[in-house]
Amino acid sequence: SYVLTQPPSVSVAPGKTARITCGGNNIGSKSVHWYQQKPGQAPVLVIYYDSDRPSGIPERFSGSNSGNTATLTISRVEAGDEADYYCQVWDSSSDHVFGGGTKLTVL
Amino acid sequence: QVQLVQSGAEVKKPGASVKVSCKASGYTFTSYGISWVRQAPGQGLEWMGWISAYNGNTNYAQKLQGRVTMTTDTSTSTAYMELRSLRSDDTAVYYCAICMAVADAFDIWGQGTMVTVSS
Repeated sequence: SYVLTQPPSVSVAPGKTARITCGGNNIGSKSVHWYQQKPGQAPVLVIYYDSDRPSGIPERFSGSNSGNTATLTISRVEAGDEADYYCQVWDSSSDHVFGGGTKLTVL
Repeated sequence: QVQLVQSGAEVKKPGASVKVSCKASGYTFTSYGISWVRQAPGQGLEWMGWISAYNGNTNYAQKLQGRVTMTTDTSTSTAYMELRSLRSDDTAVYYCAICMAVADAFDIWGQGTMVTVSS
C-alpha cells in the first residue's frame, strides 16, 4: 500500500513562512491535495493538483511537488493558520491515501 | 449552496452496528460519488470507501471489507454508511465527502458524526 509521511509538528513565528512536507515514493508522479483542519471542524481543501488553490483560499497558501516530496508552503503566517494539515493522493492500489497529519503551531 | 448534512452522534456497544446518514442538497445527487472518511480521536484521516450515487457501485477499503456497507437513496438524496461488529477502535468521527470541482480531491464535506463504541 502507498504511504505518505508527514512531520508530526511544525512551528513558525507570525509573519514567517511555514513549510510542511509530505513524503511518498515517487510522489512527484501523483497529484497531491492538501487539507486544513481546525479543532472540531471538518477538513477544508486548501491546495489541489499540487499547487492550485480553491476559490476563497488566500494566495499565501501554495504547493509544490517533485521527486519523493510534496510541500505545502504558507507565507506570512497568521495566528488563524494554526491547524492540522493533511496531504492526500489517489493511488491505483490503495485508493485515497492521507498522510498522518502535521500540527502547525504559530508561536 | 452545496451541503452535506449528517445524522447525529451515536453511542454503541461492542458488537453492535451503526448506520450514519448523509443528506445532500444543492446539486444533482446522482452526479457525484460519495466517500466516507473517519478520524479516531487525536488521529489522522482514514478513507473508508466510496459509493456511486449514479448506479450504487461501491469500493471499500480493504481493512473494512466485510464489515462496512454503503448505500444511497436517490429519492431523498441521502447516502448511508453502515458499520457492523463494532469495536472500541471504531470510535471516531465519521465524515461523508464528495469530489465535486476537483477529481480525487474532497472539496465538500459533511459536518461529521461522532460514533462512540463503549461497553
